[in-house]
Amino acid sequence: EVQLVESGGGLVQPGGSLRLSCAASGFTFSAYWMHWVRQAPGKGLVWVSRIYSDGTNTIYADSVKGRFTISRDNARNTLYLQMNNLRADDTAVYYCARDSRYTPDYWGQGTLVTVSS
Amino acid sequence: QSALTQPRSVSGSPGQSVTISCTGTSSDVGGYNYVSWYQQHPGKAPKLLIYDVNKRPSGVPDRFSGSKSGNTASLTISGLQAEDEADYYCCSYADNYTWVFGGGTKVTVL
Repeated sequence: EVQLVESGGGLVQPGGSLRLSCAASGFTFSAYWMHWVRQAPGKGLVWVSRIYSDGTNTIYADSVKGRFTISRDNARNTLYLQMNNLRADDTAVYYCARDSRYTPDYWGQGTLVTVSS
Repeated sequence: QSALTQPRSVSGSPGQSVTISCTGTSSDVGGYNYVSWYQQHPGKAPKLLIYDVNKRPSGVPDRFSGSKSGNTASLTISGLQAEDEADYYCCSYADNYTWVFGGGTKVTVL
């Protein structure tokens, strides 16, 4: 059974940093691209970033480019999102999702990030 | 990277059919057959219902179907059931190796 478990969310002040993790199990993690998607409270889903299976290629939404960094450790079956210079509008539940042929198919339960002073 | 356009809400009685539209551009929906649909109940993670415009993952009832014409994709729920009351999102692969979601549609079962 595919499982994705996010962690690392919490309350951070504007301008601060957080690193999110996503622990994967039930599939060959190193064979799949992975995504981060976020959802602000009461709002819709917004794609954030994607990383290749071997970590050699990454892409970001314009809203986070230059502030967020996606990475992975295939030996630990873990996906990461380093978030720097956080702003109030980054407040959201952050989901990791596995990619299967350009489709985010399996999703974790999400971790809440709140940016507030 | 503008969001795809979905109606804010649709509603129907049990047993009826409802259709949700998802309008994009030639840079996303119209340009690729990588349109997917997700169901999200309150406080839960999104669940994949449709991929590649009209394919269903195993375990998804055949009451859910997808289609596309030009820059608009559609999700139809036939034989509406109480448990179908949820938020629904479309998603498309897009130019510049990115993805874009719709704003979401709330389905209400009357």
